[in-house]
Amino acid sequence: ETGVTQSPTHLIKTRGQQVTLRCSSQSGHNTVSWYQQALGQGPQFIFQYYREEENGRGNFPPRFSGLQFPNYSSELNVNALELDDSALYLCASSWTGGSTDTQYFGPGTRLTVL
Amino acid sequence: AQRVTQPEKLLSVFKGAPVELKCNYSYSGSPELFWYVQYSRQRLQLLLRHISRESIKGFTADLNKGETSFHLKKPFAQEEDSAMYYCALSSDNYGQNFVFGPGTRLSVLP
Repeated sequence: ETGVTQSPTHLIKTRGQQVTLRCSSQSGHNTVSWYQQALGQGPQFIFQYYREEENGRGNFPPRFSGLQFPNYSSELNVNALELDDSALYLCASSWTGGSTDTQYFGPGTRLTVL
Repeated sequence: AQRVTQPEKLLSVFKGAPVELKCNYSYSGSPELFWYVQYSRQRLQLLLRHISRESIKGFTADLNKGETSFHLKKPFAQEEDSAMYYCALSSDNYGQNFVFGPGTRLSVLP
């Protein structure tokens, strides 16, 4: 069984740029959720993808967008980066089968916006 | 809107002492509550969920709907319990809207 992986590990961007973060879900999982974790805070839900469609969204602006691919891997795209976007971005995969299911988290991507 | 609060940023106890990590939530419906833990240099992982009603690593948590609380307890803390603990709430059956608390860092002293 392969765990959740994320790439890259670290990333430095400047304000106004665009960034793409990647997540490979755990084998057998069909759902991916993305979270933003600012320093000293708990993770904040960005959105969830299930069967390649957005299946729920937190309080984040449209410049945060995502994709899920047929193999259930996922991307998080952030346009027009702002300084406050600096955070650890976590993805979590799970199996959606009719009830809330355990989420397995990746190690995260640390994004720094200068 | 749902919200999770954890009043203590840091909790220090001595090895062998009881520990209680507090969690309160606000949600008008029937939430599902979780405790997640992050050990040093490891990824966030599920510790326990209220519907399972099980004890993991000696930890238990009871959902008190009257007090809207889901406190995490262990009768005898161990040094390896030192970690960051997050309480979380899911407001639907499909985990679409997960809300995490700010976390409590537990330090178990020798």
